Amino acid sequence: KAGVTQTPRYLIKTRGQQVTLSCSPISGHRSVSWYQQTPGQGLQFLFEYFSETQRNKGNFPGRFSGRQFSNSRSEMNVSTLELGDSALYLCASSLVASGAQNIQYFGAGTRLSVL
Amino acid sequence: AQSVSQHNHHVILSEAASLELGCNYSYGGTVNLFWYVQYPGQHLQLLLKYFSGDPLVKGIKGFEAEFIKSKFSFNLRKPSVQWSDTAEYFCAVNGPGGGADGLTFGKGTHLIIQP
Repeated sequence: KAGVTQTPRYLIKTRGQQVTLSCSPISGHRSVSWYQQTPGQGLQFLFEYFSETQRNKGNFPGRFSGRQFSNSRSEMNVSTLELGDSALYLCASSLVASGAQNIQYFGAGTRLSVL
Repeated sequence: AQSVSQHNHHVILSEAASLELGCNYSYGGTVNLFWYVQYPGQHLQLLLKYFSGDPLVKGIKGFEAEFIKSKFSFNLRKPSVQWSDTAEYFCAVNGPGGGADGLTFGKGTHLIIQP
């Protein structure tokens, strides 16, 4: 069974630009969560999508948004990039929504560098 | 909001030494608890989980963890470490029910095993 696939693996953008990251969950998984990993803040929850609906959102500005498609694939978008957005963005998929007894499986991440 | 504390940010051990990594969380209700590991150059992988039942849980590669509700702790242990255990270890908590803010992670413990 294929794991969680994130594309692209690496991205370099400049301040002010926008970026879209993609995540394909494990087949059959309906929940997709996004996390930001930085050396200073560690792993922080961005948002979760389940059945095309955003269930939860972490403490991030509105520049961070996402969506989920009917096949459970998800995208996250960051607009008006800032230097501080440089991070590893991780996607995780699970069978059921968070809060239940679910297990999240992580992808390899997309490393975003903002210059 | 939940918080997770990992007391040791860097741990250096020799092969065959015993390991215990501390993890404390702040949420007072029922929680789901996890330890994830990130080997160099690899994605986050689940080591073990606790949902309910026996507070001593066993995971992959000889790791185990004990949930002590009265101490809000979920410490990770391994009786004899190997060089291949060198990695970053993350404790994570997920509260049940709707509105849970995804997984809350500790800042991680960087474990180095010297041969």
